[in-house]
Amino acid sequence: DAKTTQPPSMDCAEGRAANLPCNHSTISGNEYVYWYRQIHSQGPQYIIHGLKNNETNEMASLIITEDRKSSTLILPHATLRDTAVYYCIVRPPRSNTGKLIFGQGTTLQVKP
Amino acid sequence: GAGVSQSPSNKVTEKGKDVELRCDPISGHTALYWYRQSLGQGLEFLIYFQGNSAPDKSGLPSDRFSAERTGGSVSTLTIQRTQQEDSAVYLCASSAQVNYGYTFGSGTRLTVV
Repeated sequence: DAKTTQPPSMDCAEGRAANLPCNHSTISGNEYVYWYRQIHSQGPQYIIHGLKNNETNEMASLIITEDRKSSTLILPHATLRDTAVYYCIVRPPRSNTGKLIFGQGTTLQVKP
Repeated sequence: GAGVSQSPSNKVTEKGKDVELRCDPISGHTALYWYRQSLGQGLEFLIYFQGNSAPDKSGLPSDRFSAERTGGSVSTLTIQRTQQEDSAVYLCASSAQVNYGYTFGSGTRLTVV
């Protein structure tokens, strides 16, 4: 399975964009990049996923580099409620199981 | 239902007793996953069910752990002869298809005393 590397923690000012990086240099051509977040004492929440094109939804944008070795999750206007642990996950190939392997993630602290 | 439902939300049990944790996935979701999260730790994969395929049990930590999914819907995770190290939040998730995002339940907090 491809592994991901994320900074353990980041701060962001409320109202500013939060840019969370993720390295996945060993990603395979058919593996997707998923982002989840876990707010304290809650189950993880799906945010977004992509293969090679940039993706945007109501929560965030996902920018994947052309070589697919890294990606950035962008929360355009962070709020205090965005304080959470953010997980970048590379999903195993479709021919295997769909299980997601969670790493340690990035703890994002949004400050007033 | 509207979301993934887990019960009970909290369970305190004595060491050595058996426990059953229940998960009701979102209706129509074919994939179901169990994870656990010990205090201050990341999520640990336990088991995965996909349709009628044989489950992926590769994450179960010992033979005291087992899970079943009846009728392709409700799942039960059973822990026999519980130990203190089994104390954790047990999370269930479901997804419509393998490539889709998961929806997690709120978890069952298990405390073994």
